[in-house]
Amino acid sequence: GAGVSQTPSNKVTEKGKYVELRCDPISGHTALYWYRQSLGQGPEFLIYFQGTGAADDSGLPNDRFFAVRPEGSVSTLKIQRTERGDSAVYLCASSRPDRGNQPQHFGDGTRLSIL
Amino acid sequence: AQSVTQLDSQVPVFEEAPVELRCNYSSSVSVYLFWYVQYPNQGLQLLLKYLSGSTLVKGINGFEAEFNKSQTSFHLRKPSVHISDTAEYFCAVSGLSAGNKLTFGGGTRVLVKP
Repeated sequence: GAGVSQTPSNKVTEKGKYVELRCDPISGHTALYWYRQSLGQGPEFLIYFQGTGAADDSGLPNDRFFAVRPEGSVSTLKIQRTERGDSAVYLCASSRPDRGNQPQHFGDGTRLSIL
Repeated sequence: AQSVTQLDSQVPVFEEAPVELRCNYSSSVSVYLFWYVQYPNQGLQLLLKYLSGSTLVKGINGFEAEFNKSQTSFHLRKPSVHISDTAEYFCAVSGLSAGNKLTFGGGTRVLVKP
């Protein structure tokens, strides 16, 4: 079946610009997560949605980062006034809505490069 | 708060040799434990998970891991590696509640040499 789909796969933009990264989760997965993976490091949690609402946004680094999931399926991560330090691979994952024992299924990520 | 330490950033190994990747965690609450593999330019793929029960967990591609609660470790092993096992491996933990975020270690890069 279809896995988690992330678009675009690569995004290059200039410092100060606005970017949107899209995540289409596995059908039926109500839990959705965003992570950021900097070069040579493990992924770091950004935000978690259960349905349409952000249940935990404690990982968002500052108010330039925002994410939505208006219909409980596709999610968009939005970054305003991008900085060079935002360059990273942004990973999306989804899982079934049960307890934490449900494994998260990851997309291939969006590689964001800020020039 | 939880943290994960992967003690080796890189592990070179010859084809058909065994490999062990070390993972230690710290947590004030009970956790679930996971190992993920990441091939170049791809997302993470689940290798195996420990939820409860037997402390020896078998996963895909011939990998297994052993949970040791007293040592707070979850080391990953494979008795005989293939060239195709060249990848980055991440150990991760999560809490027991619904929607608990994963906390990852820094990763171990495995390079299998012919």
